[in-house]
Amino acid sequence: VQLQESGPGLVKPSQTLSLTCSVSGGSISSGHYFWSWIRQPPGKGLEWIGYIYYSGTTYYSPSLESRVTLSVDTSKNQFSLKLTSVTAADTAVYYCARAFYGSQVTNFAFWGQGALVTVSS
Amino acid sequence: NFMLTQPHSVSESPGKTVTISCTRNSGSIAINYVHWYQQRPGSAPTTVIYEDDQRPSGIPDRFSGSIDSSSNSASLIISGLKTEDEADYYCQSYNSSNVVVFGGGTKLTVL
Repeated sequence: VQLQESGPGLVKPSQTLSLTCSVSGGSISSGHYFWSWIRQPPGKGLEWIGYIYYSGTTYYSPSLESRVTLSVDTSKNQFSLKLTSVTAADTAVYYCARAFYGSQVTNFAFWGQGALVTVSS
Repeated sequence: NFMLTQPHSVSESPGKTVTISCTRNSGSIAINYVHWYQQRPGSAPTTVIYEDDQRPSGIPDRFSGSIDSSSNSASLIISGLKTEDEADYYCQSYNSSNVVVFGGGTKLTVL
């Protein structure tokens, strides 16, 4: 499985950040997987944003929930992130990743290469 | 929600063994699996330990993981340190609502 992030690298403050993750080598509809977004501000640690199941069920980070929307397009084998009202604090490398769900959600075994998004006027 | 606390940095000499801790501040560490990731500069994280103590294929047996309920912490142990092990390491778990929690990360220096 391979994941690839795409989207604008520069977003103005107060606008909406939009990214898409394209999945190859496996179907996003195959079930038992949570498709996730994780970000990393420059020089800082990893922050989970949320994940989505192929059916559209979502789980969001409590700290970002009010500004985040995840969606999935099974026909294109893609899932997407929208983050509204961005500020400089949202500048980060954004990763998409996949976790398996069995009796519990397990580790993020597959990651995209990451996409740097800078929030600046 | 709970937090996972890691030391900011650790350092050790080549050939030695280092242990990186990950302490859960509320709820039992044993309730939800703990996973460990290695991240080298400019690269995405990769799993070195999953489900507390399982090693993915391709990860050398110098890497091991454990859970200690008495200290409510997980540990990543790297033996026979090599310079290539120098990286940032993150622990990760979930709460009962499937919300993901990452530790703050530990910078390992092999000197």
